[in-house]
Amino acid sequence: EVHLVESGGGLVKPGESLRLSCAASKLTFSSCSMNWLRQAPGQGLEWISSISSASSYLYYSDSVRGRFTISRDNTRNSLYLHMNSLRAEDTATYLCAAGCGGDWRILDFWGQGTLVAVSS
Amino acid sequence: ETPMTQSPATLSVSPGERATLSCRASQSVISNVAWYQQKPGQAPRLLIYGTSTRATDIPARFSGSGSGTEFTLTISSLQSGDFAVYYCQEYNKWPPVFGQGTKVEIK
Repeated sequence: EVHLVESGGGLVKPGESLRLSCAASKLTFSSCSMNWLRQAPGQGLEWISSISSASSYLYYSDSVRGRFTISRDNTRNSLYLHMNSLRAEDTATYLCAAGCGGDWRILDFWGQGTLVAVSS
Repeated sequence: ETPMTQSPATLSVSPGERATLSCRASQSVISNVAWYQQKPGQAPRLLIYGTSTRATDIPARFSGSGSGTEFTLTISSLQSGDFAVYYCQEYNKWPPVFGQGTKVEIK
């Protein structure tokens, strides 16, 4: 069974930084596009960043562009999200998801998420 | 982005009954719609993609239909493990967007 496990969340103050990780197992990680989404309390899902299988394509939503950086290490089956200049509105559960089929916009596998809380 | 509107927000259904969930796009998304199930504390799970194709290991009681702007997820006979939040997603444009979810609860 495929597992995606996020880590690195926590409580930080506005302006601070965090690095999230997503560890994949039983997945042909290097063949999948990987994505970060987030879900603010009581809200729906927001797609915030994507990285193609060989890291040649990167995407950021307007809400995080310039502050967040996505990366991956295919040798470690791991995905990362470096988050700088955090704001209160970044408070959410952050989920990683893999698109491994013919259309990588379809999210075949998901993690449970890690909670990021930004508050002074 | 094409907003996706899901209805109802909450659906109360008895086990064994049929549940019909709706998703409406503000403009045509052709057939590029997927549905996901999320149970509390669990990872979301892909149910349906391409409007009507079941993902691997998804039971036949889950079916999707629709086209253009109107889409439906039907659960033919609800089982105890089906009580969850369901999200539709359109991926006709970039970035894909999700509806706000429909919570299916026990009546």
